[in-house]
Amino acid sequence: AQKITQTQPGMFVQEKEAVTLDCTYDTSDQSYGLFWYKQPSSGEMIFLIYQGSYDEQNATEGRYSLNFQKARKSANLVISASQLGDSAMYFCAIWYNFNKFYFGSGTKLNVKP
Amino acid sequence: NAGVTQTPKFRILKIGQSMTLQCTQDMNHNYMYWYRQDPGMGLKLIYYSVGAGITDKGEVPNGYNVSRSTTEDFPLRLELAAPSQTSVYFCASRRLAGGFFGTDTQYFGPGTRLTVL
Repeated sequence: AQKITQTQPGMFVQEKEAVTLDCTYDTSDQSYGLFWYKQPSSGEMIFLIYQGSYDEQNATEGRYSLNFQKARKSANLVISASQLGDSAMYFCAIWYNFNKFYFGSGTKLNVKP
Repeated sequence: NAGVTQTPKFRILKIGQSMTLQCTQDMNHNYMYWYRQDPGMGLKLIYYSVGAGITDKGEVPNGYNVSRSTTEDFPLRLELAAPSQTSVYFCASRRLAGGFFGTDTQYFGPGTRLTVL
């Protein structure tokens, strides 16, 4: 079964430090997309960053960057200069096979002041 | 634009009851999706639609039905509710542009919290 795995149920980071959230995926498809979403305690899903399987450069969006290692099938999210408002659940997701999304189980990030 | 709206926000059902979760988007998106999120878990795809009149099953379709008669609306029907269907339900939409793997992400609604007792 094709799936996506987040092995860190919870993480702590000190404010202003960088943190890496891990994500590995398992697909035999050559064409796919990788996404990261943030879910605050209020419950909404907020899109953060996207990486296509054919993109050679790692995606960046402000303080977010995606460390894409295709051979290892990993797509880690790096948050630089953590802020208290970054405390939330973070979900990695893969998009493949035309129209299907699969989400990981999430990582709960706590930013300490 | 209101984006993706879902009603109701909360609902409690008794076992065996039925209900419809409403989802409407005003962005003229072709693709629409229904997910469920169980406590402490990621989202799982229930059904999706690539346009009016076209729907298909996702990862966990059992116990649910959908229809897509218009571009805007994508209701999810629960028949004979069971406690296992207690979850938060998210609707999402995406426009068709730039091929299958463009940078267009899904836009999510605020969710419906459903409890089946």
